[in-house]
Amino acid sequence: SQTIHQWPATLVQPVGSPLSLECTVEGTSNPNLYWYRQAAGRGLQLLFYSVGIGQISSEVPQNLSASRPQDRQFILSSKKLLLSDSGFYLCASTLAGGFTDTQYFGPGTRLTVL
Amino acid sequence: AQSVTQPDIHITVSEGASLELRCNYSYGATPYLFWYVQSPGQGLQLLLKYFSGDTLVQGIKGFEAEFKRSQSSFNLRKPSVHWSDAAEYFCAVGGSSNTGKLIFGQGTTLQVKP
Repeated sequence: SQTIHQWPATLVQPVGSPLSLECTVEGTSNPNLYWYRQAAGRGLQLLFYSVGIGQISSEVPQNLSASRPQDRQFILSSKKLLLSDSGFYLCASTLAGGFTDTQYFGPGTRLTVL
Repeated sequence: AQSVTQPDIHITVSEGASLELRCNYSYGATPYLFWYVQSPGQGLQLLLKYFSGDTLVQGIKGFEAEFKRSQSSFNLRKPSVHWSDAAEYFCAVGGSSNTGKLIFGQGTTLQVKP
């Protein structure tokens, strides 16, 4: 099975500051990777996904971006944070071509923008 | 449009009582169905999944779910709830492409009374 690592676990940032959240995966190669955001009391919103190195698909327009510099590394970034970016960010992974496979989730990063 | 509906936002049951969490989906192809559980401040853990075959699937922690194609439902059940089952439960559907993307419901929060 896969293990997903996310850091930092919690983050408090001022409005207008940059952001970098990192996700790394163990236990598989060439996984599909996903970034979700979960706002307080809300469900999961898919932000980005990637089926390979350097390949990023964006699900919603916003001031966030994602990159996949290595096979098992997925980074979520922003140049200038907004208050509305606060939330719980989850990284998930499935096997390559894993449309029948389980998504494994990391422990999440709690982001508070003040 | 593809969607997942969890009609109950919040459910309270007494410890030892039976539980059923509802999930209805709208999906254009053969659905792959999942139930996840999330404890406060944690990532999501897979409870069970349905891809094909027997429509009654067993999962971890004593949970089971039944796929009913005619009703477009995938309800989660447990015969006797434990206090540790208090959490948020998400139903998800996927399977139409090799991206592994899932569509999640809004979640049901389960509270267990002693």
